[in-house]
Amino acid sequence: DVKVTQSSRYLVKRTGEKVFLECVQDMDHENMFWYRQDPGLGLRLIYFSYDVKMKEKGDIPEGYSVSREKKERFSLILESASTNQTSMYLCASSFNEGRNEQYFGPGTRLTVT
Amino acid sequence: GQNIDQPTEMTATEGAIVQINCTYQTSGFNGLFWYQQHAGEAPTFLSYNVLDGLEEKGRFSSFLSRSKGYSYLLLKELQMKDSASYLCAVRDRYNMLTFGGGTRLMVKP
Repeated sequence: DVKVTQSSRYLVKRTGEKVFLECVQDMDHENMFWYRQDPGLGLRLIYFSYDVKMKEKGDIPEGYSVSREKKERFSLILESASTNQTSMYLCASSFNEGRNEQYFGPGTRLTVT
Repeated sequence: GQNIDQPTEMTATEGAIVQINCTYQTSGFNGLFWYQQHAGEAPTFLSYNVLDGLEEKGRFSSFLSRSKGYSYLLLKELQMKDSASYLCAVRDRYNMLTFGGGTRLMVKP
């Protein structure tokens, strides 16, 4: 079974804090993704990575950065958290080839006060 | 870019059949996925269509018409545990997924 884990299920941070969200997958997937999910807006892609040390911007990268130092780990960084970054953050991973469906982690519900 | 539309909410009765529609406009279609997401949980993969026609998997089936930009997810013999959100996602030629807003299905006894 594919397993994607995220470091926290719930997180509360203050405005201006630096926030790290960690994601680890155990299936040797090449691709990893960070989404945020908001009511009525669906899942929106923040950043993705198709290889170690590679990163590409998604649809809404502003205010975020990422790091992929190892194949199994993909980190999302909020440099200076703001209240409009309160959201559910979902990490996903997939292979490069074939059907390559994405497997999702359980999500981190981040509240910025 | 991609634009994906699906109904926001649907209600159905236990034991019945329900069809959830998804329409899309895309520049470079490369497959369509359906995911199920229970409240507070991660989306889980349900089905994949890349060619026209029906894909059946137990109680769940998914249909695709590429010429019409249209897909549906058919759920038969509904059970209470099928109450969840159903996400339609279209993959483009760069292998990126764009998700619809999701359809929240409520199954009533």
